[in-house]
Amino acid sequence: DAGVIQSPRHEVTEMGQEVTLRCKPISGHDYLFWYRQTMMRGLELLIYFNNNVPIDDSGMPEDRFSAKMPNASFSTLKIQPSEPRDSAVYFCASSLPGHYGYTFGSGTRLTVV
Amino acid sequence: AQRVTQPEKLLSVFKGAPVELKCNYSYSGSPELFWYVQYSRQRLQLLLRHISRESIKGFTADLNKGETSFHLKKPFAQEEDSAMYYCALHRTGGGADGLTFGKGTHLIIQP
Repeated sequence: DAGVIQSPRHEVTEMGQEVTLRCKPISGHDYLFWYRQTMMRGLELLIYFNNNVPIDDSGMPEDRFSAKMPNASFSTLKIQPSEPRDSAVYFCASSLPGHYGYTFGSGTRLTVV
Repeated sequence: AQRVTQPEKLLSVFKGAPVELKCNYSYSGSPELFWYVQYSRQRLQLLLRHISRESIKGFTADLNKGETSFHLKKPFAQEEDSAMYYCALHRTGGGADGLTFGKGTHLIIQP
């Protein structure tokens, strides 16, 4: 298994543009998590899914953020419109039920200028 | 609500010296604690879990419920240990709620 795959690795966009981050979890993992990492706030949980269903999105900062998981092998995190303060590294992670050691992707470094 | 505190943002020690990365948690229930490591330009990786009572790469961590701590220790630091270390907490009982992470400690091992 190639692990959790995220794309793109780097994204630079202008303020106001729509940004879509992608994640492919490990096959068979029922849980998928989106985290945001910044110097100031560390790692913050944005949203997580269980069997493709969003369970807790209380960490999503604003309505500009949305996440979907149309099937077990794909999830997206969308920011529309993007703002400079959204600049961060966004990580996706997946795990099996009853096992809480996550496998993280390599992250997407987002820069909004 | 649960909280994880890592009081040191940066810790610098010399090669061969002992290392202790501090982690304190706040949670009224029975937690599961983890340490994750992030080497430069790499993804976060699970280092160890308290329930496994394991030693990985020479690191150990003991859960002290009285002091609500889960400090990470290694008796002799090596240069390749330089990385960001994150302590994380998971609430037990129902579901797989997301882990709560501390803000991390940047460990630098000087030659």
